[in-house]
Amino acid sequence: DAKTTQPTSMDCAEGRAANLPCNHSTISGNEYVYWYRQIHSQGPQYIIHGLKNNETNEMASLIITEDRKSSTLILPHATLRDTAVYYCIVLKTSYDKVIFGPGTSLSVIP
Amino acid sequence: GAGVSQTPSNKVTEKGKYVELRCDPISGHTALYWYRQSLGQGPEFLIYFQGTGAADDSGLPNDRFFAVRPEGSVSTLKIQRTERGDSAVYLCASSPRTGGSRYFGPGTRLLVL
Repeated sequence: DAKTTQPTSMDCAEGRAANLPCNHSTISGNEYVYWYRQIHSQGPQYIIHGLKNNETNEMASLIITEDRKSSTLILPHATLRDTAVYYCIVLKTSYDKVIFGPGTSLSVIP
Repeated sequence: GAGVSQTPSNKVTEKGKYVELRCDPISGHTALYWYRQSLGQGPEFLIYFQGTGAADDSGLPNDRFFAVRPEGSVSTLKIQRTERGDSAVYLCASSPRTGGSRYFGPGTRLLVL
C-alpha cells in the first residue's frame, strides 16, 4: 500500500474552514484515498473517500490533485466537535489491510 | 440502526491470565477487522475476516493472539498469557463487503497489571 504523510497537528478557529493536507506521492492507479477521524475515546469514523474526482458529502469535501499525489480534506465550517485525529489512508478496494499512520491532530479553537 | 458493539468496554487483568474480547458487527456485514491502538498511535491492524475465515492474520503479533468468527458474525479475540505490553484499546470494525468503508466499534480498553 502507498504510504501517506500528514502534519502532526493543526489548529483551526471555530466557524472557519479546516483544510487538512495529505501527501501520497507513491499512490497507484487503483488506490483510493480514504479519510477517517477519531474523536477522543471513540473508534475511528469514516468521513469520505475518492479516486480522482473531488468528492463532497454532508461531513466534508475531498480535493485530490490532478496527479493524485496529494489531497486535502476540507471541513467547511469547523466546530468544537470536529476536534479529533484525522487519518488519511490510501487503499485498494480489493485489499483490506488498512494501515493507519499517526494522523493529524486537529484542534478547533473557540 | 445498531452499530458495531464490543464487550467488555474495559477489562483489567493480571499478567499471565487469559482474556477474550467480543465484537458484534453490524448485521449483514461480511467483513470484520480487529485493530489494536496504543496511546498516541494510530490503530494497528491485527486480523481480517471475510465470512468465517481469516483472510489475513499477518498483523497478529505472536501466537498468544488468536481470533475466531465461527458463524460469520460475532468474533472473539483471544489473548493467552497476557503481558503488560498487551495493554491497549482493541478496536473492531466491520464493512458490508470487501474494500467497503469500515464502521468501527468503541473499543475494549485492556489493562494488564
